[in-house]
Amino acid sequence: ETGVTQTPRHLVMGMTNKKSLKCEQHLGHNAMYWYKQSAKKPLELMFVYNFKEQTENNSVPSRFSPECPNSSHLFLHLHTLQPEDSALYLCASSQEGQAMNTEAFFGQGTRLTVV
Amino acid sequence: AQKVTQAQTEISVVEKEDVTLDCVYETRDTTYYLFWYKQPPSGELVFLIRRNSFDEQNEISGRYSWNFQKSTSSFNFTITASQVVDSAVYFCALSEARGGSYIPTFGRGTSLIVHP
Repeated sequence: ETGVTQTPRHLVMGMTNKKSLKCEQHLGHNAMYWYKQSAKKPLELMFVYNFKEQTENNSVPSRFSPECPNSSHLFLHLHTLQPEDSALYLCASSQEGQAMNTEAFFGQGTRLTVV
Repeated sequence: AQKVTQAQTEISVVEKEDVTLDCVYETRDTTYYLFWYKQPPSGELVFLIRRNSFDEQNEISGRYSWNFQKSTSSFNFTITASQVVDSAVYFCALSEARGGSYIPTFGRGTSLIVHP
């Protein structure tokens, strides 16, 4: 138990669907992240939120839309995805998103399959 | 070019063998941090260790040990007397300054399989 909870754990969606991934952290951290993990590829950073403000958007397509209503919650809204978007989506949090020595705490991920 | 290279895609050992996971990094910064994470089958990455660029002391924690060598830009991880529970994907990461923020860059990971 890392203190970061992601729901759902598994999601299958059609290319025309709209769905959302949820992440919640109970660690009192100020920074939250979305990562994409595809097979045989490095972890890809998607978005970073620091004190609820988006500080990094790593050239992510607009069909992925993040939302951070408060420091404890992070959402990833999905619409009109492509099959190549199928991956494990990991949420992470850290004490301070601008401190290089801060380790991240990860959720168990949402396994997304786009059909 | 990759900033963090984990050349070993998959390693398979028999229980009780020692195993070393390699990590080579690339940075122009003099101040940076290196991390190792473990990803068991359940999915979440678990933090194992953090090392800053000014501290080249090796570290041992139980069966785990880390060898940081700035001269070769390497931060290798050794598991002594491996156990089946060590089976996981292990990621090395580098945290350096980037546009005012510090975001870790991960390697591709090394999948370790420990057979009974």
